Amino acid sequence: DIQMTQSPSSLSASVGDRVTITCRAGQSISSHLNWYQQKPGKAPKLLIYAASSLHSGVPSRFSGSGSGTDFTLTISSLQPEDFATYYCQQSYNSPRTFGQGTKVEIK
Amino acid sequence: QVQLVQSGGEVKKPGASVKVSCKASGYTFTTYGISWVRQAPGQGLEWMGWISAYYGSTNYAQNLQGRITMTTDTSTSTAYMELRSLRSDDTSVYYCVREGELSGSVVFQYWGQGTLVTVSS
Repeated sequence: DIQMTQSPSSLSASVGDRVTITCRAGQSISSHLNWYQQKPGKAPKLLIYAASSLHSGVPSRFSGSGSGTDFTLTISSLQPEDFATYYCQQSYNSPRTFGQGTKVEIK
Repeated sequence: QVQLVQSGGEVKKPGASVKVSCKASGYTFTTYGISWVRQAPGQGLEWMGWISAYYGSTNYAQNLQGRITMTTDTSTSTAYMELRSLRSDDTSVYYCVREGELSGSVVFQYWGQGTLVTVSS
């Protein structure tokens, strides 16, 4: 199984801050990396696919980068509705493992 | 629009079985696979397995092999996940997810609303 490791596990930030979350794969996964956002009590939502492609309807303040083993999710200017937990997931092979999540909290 | 509507919450005793349903609409059911993902209280996401809605072929997470069965009923566009020999650590919200492919990458594109399964004596 490919292990996915996110950092940090949680962070506190203010509205307007630039936020960066990293995800490291245990082996090369090319660009087969997706990012999801989950709010409390809700199902996750797809944000970014293929490492850097913005899913339809997702605000442009979200961006993704990376390939191989190291990936980054960036929120350029944090908005109140962005406080949530973010998960990376590899779709390179099965099982389609997730990172442990990064909780973005209000400072 | 694509919708996945899951069955309601369940409370089960240890050792029992649970079967969660996921009714799909808004697309041709047999075109896409369905994955199941669970989330224990306050924890992260765990992929449980996948079923081809067309062929019925399955791929289960190794740690659930022998306890899990995924099936589909194409006549009603419904997917099912049965988990047997339930333990307290199976207490989770269970999600069905319709997969898709975007730019050559498999994505978990559409999610059901989740079904809370509580295992307690």
